[in-house]
Amino acid sequence: NAGVTQTPKFRVLKTGQSMTLLCAQDMNHEYMYWYRQDPGMGLRLIHYSVGEGTTAKGEVPDGYNVSRLKKQNFLLGLESAAPSQTSVYFCASASGGSNYGYTFGSGTRLTVV
Amino acid sequence: SQELEQSPQSLIVQEGKNLTINCTSSKTLYGLYWYKQKYGEGLIFLMMLQKGGEEKSHEKITAKLDEKKQQSSLHITASQPSHAGIYLCGLQTGTASKLTFGTGTRLQVTL
Repeated sequence: NAGVTQTPKFRVLKTGQSMTLLCAQDMNHEYMYWYRQDPGMGLRLIHYSVGEGTTAKGEVPDGYNVSRLKKQNFLLGLESAAPSQTSVYFCASASGGSNYGYTFGSGTRLTVV
Repeated sequence: SQELEQSPQSLIVQEGKNLTINCTSSKTLYGLYWYKQKYGEGLIFLMMLQKGGEEKSHEKITAKLDEKKQQSSLHITASQPSHAGIYLCGLQTGTASKLTFGTGTRLQVTL
């Protein structure tokens, strides 16, 4: 099915470990985003990209890095995981000027112990 | 986000009842999106409102935008168990189609 695919779906990390979350979209969308969702906080934007080779910081970028080497992929990296990064991470994509908003992935549930 | 406040935070309604969820912004509403999230899943786009007075419907869900009140409402008629989930409003902010989301309204529909 066309859409946004996130891998992995679940992950448990120890404090200080690193990992990369992968987001892939097959809709040829220019814009891609990483959000985290926490209870009572809603969705908060971590980083976003307006095109291949470009990235920008969102509302809560500290502790994360991103890369968009290919248009269809947007990677979110945690260099040294902390318990405060325990969250559900969502990737989304959009075509510029769309009236349909984002297409979301199904999320990655990350626990840092 | 403090920019968008949703009310109520949670709602339990009996099947067949009507309900309304509100989304109030501290900023001018332009490009207001409604999404639904089923538990443990991603968000599904419901509808988008662009200007004051606009009203859109999809099946039994109607969304309205009141520019003067800086508020959008989502109304569900004759609720069904399939309506259960978390409803989030999102406001377009800045460039690159970035969305700022409200904290969500958790809806349960009882039989």
